[in-house]
Amino acid sequence: EPEVTQTPSHQVTQMGQEVILRCVPISNHLYFYWYRQILGQKVEFLVSFYNNEISEKSEIFDDQFSVERPDGSNFTLKIRSTKLEDSAMYFCASSVRTDTQYFGPGTRLTVL
Amino acid sequence: AQSVSQHNHHVILSEAASLELGCNYSYGGTVNLFWYVQYPGQHLQLLLKYFSGDPLVKGIKGFEAEFIKSKFSFNLRKPSVQWSDTAEYFCAALSPGNTGKLIFGQGTTLQVKP
Repeated sequence: EPEVTQTPSHQVTQMGQEVILRCVPISNHLYFYWYRQILGQKVEFLVSFYNNEISEKSEIFDDQFSVERPDGSNFTLKIRSTKLEDSAMYFCASSVRTDTQYFGPGTRLTVL
Repeated sequence: AQSVSQHNHHVILSEAASLELGCNYSYGGTVNLFWYVQYPGQHLQLLLKYFSGDPLVKGIKGFEAEFIKSKFSFNLRKPSVQWSDTAEYFCAALSPGNTGKLIFGQGTTLQVKP
């Protein structure tokens, strides 16, 4: 069964550094998403992406965040200058339509 | 703003006990609702979903959920849990607007004792 994959599984970075989290969505899916979960808190929506543009973003998704689908298979989340509060588990998801989403295993980001 | 709340944060059951996890949503219009499960060390997996029609929906692994519009609820049930059901369970609602944004509850950790 096709799965969403994410790399790396764990990323440790220094505050102020840029990080890129990578996701490979399921191949025939058209909608792509990033969510995050700070330890002990809810899973929070960050952004949805369709047809090479952002369709919705949350208040969390400020100018420090960007998404890209550089090559038709990968879907990346970039954080330009990481802050301590960016430490979280980041989940990528994809869907055929805007309903049933399939999630990747997550990337644990630790900002020191 | 639409919200989802799960009443139970941590539930401990013995094997063969019945399970009911509460979920309430705030939106009054048409809702699409989901239950996801996350087994230890694994990714979020879809257990079941409700879009319309029969308010009692059946999912994988013997789980079911009932949509009660008058109570804004979508509780998850299983008649007899197994040790392998130990996991975190998330209720989620699809936000209106057709962008696919999911709004999650806080999650419920279920621990099943053998």
